[in-house]
Amino acid sequence: DQQVKQNSPSLSVQEGRISILNCDYTNSMFDYFLWYKKYPAEGPTFLISISSIKDKNEDGRFTVFLNKSAKHLSLHIVPSQPGDSAVYFCAASEPGGGADGLTFGKGTHLIIQP
Amino acid sequence: ETGVTQSPTHLIKTRGQQVTLRCSSQSGHNTVSWYQQALGQGPQFIFQYYREEENGRGNFPPRFSGLQFPNYSSELNVNALELDDSALYLCASSLGPQLAGGYEQYFGPGTRLTVT
Repeated sequence: DQQVKQNSPSLSVQEGRISILNCDYTNSMFDYFLWYKKYPAEGPTFLISISSIKDKNEDGRFTVFLNKSAKHLSLHIVPSQPGDSAVYFCAASEPGGGADGLTFGKGTHLIIQP
Repeated sequence: ETGVTQSPTHLIKTRGQQVTLRCSSQSGHNTVSWYQQALGQGPQFIFQYYREEENGRGNFPPRFSGLQFPNYSSELNVNALELDDSALYLCASSLGPQLAGGYEQYFGPGTRLTVT
């Protein structure tokens, strides 16, 4: 039973345009959400996070939106750059810290085309 | 500042054998978490060590065990290897066991384990 779902295995976006990556979750206990980016042969790199008490968090070109009623979050990248081509993982955690670890989705492979 | 390092990079073992994977945490980080990433899947939480004790565990059998040392480095041990244990094993370190407010987990490059 997947508690974090990324339904798009891949996404192709033109350089300079907006990339929107989506994530849905089923566990209403999740209260903290994160996005990680992964290049081949490297570990996941933390990008941005959002607490359930907020609906938006912005950091440079990256913005994460959270819709708690829909149990949906999205990552917006504007403008998209060639270096953004990578696999993006959505992750979530319950209250209580790291004892339960992060729950990850399967990832979305973002391809930025010139 | 040195990031999270893992060894070895790749490993091939036979079913039934035992394996030990190693992780050095980022400087100043006292918490280490281990994840298993099967092909085409997201990382799955195995367990977390904080101050040399297991702080939490995911849905993995007891043949998956770990250690954390006084310098905060860590080992993951897997006994009686099965074919399904073939995966990328990721180690992540953090400033503390919390997951919010600056305590995000920083991942190493992983160890690719193949069980034949």
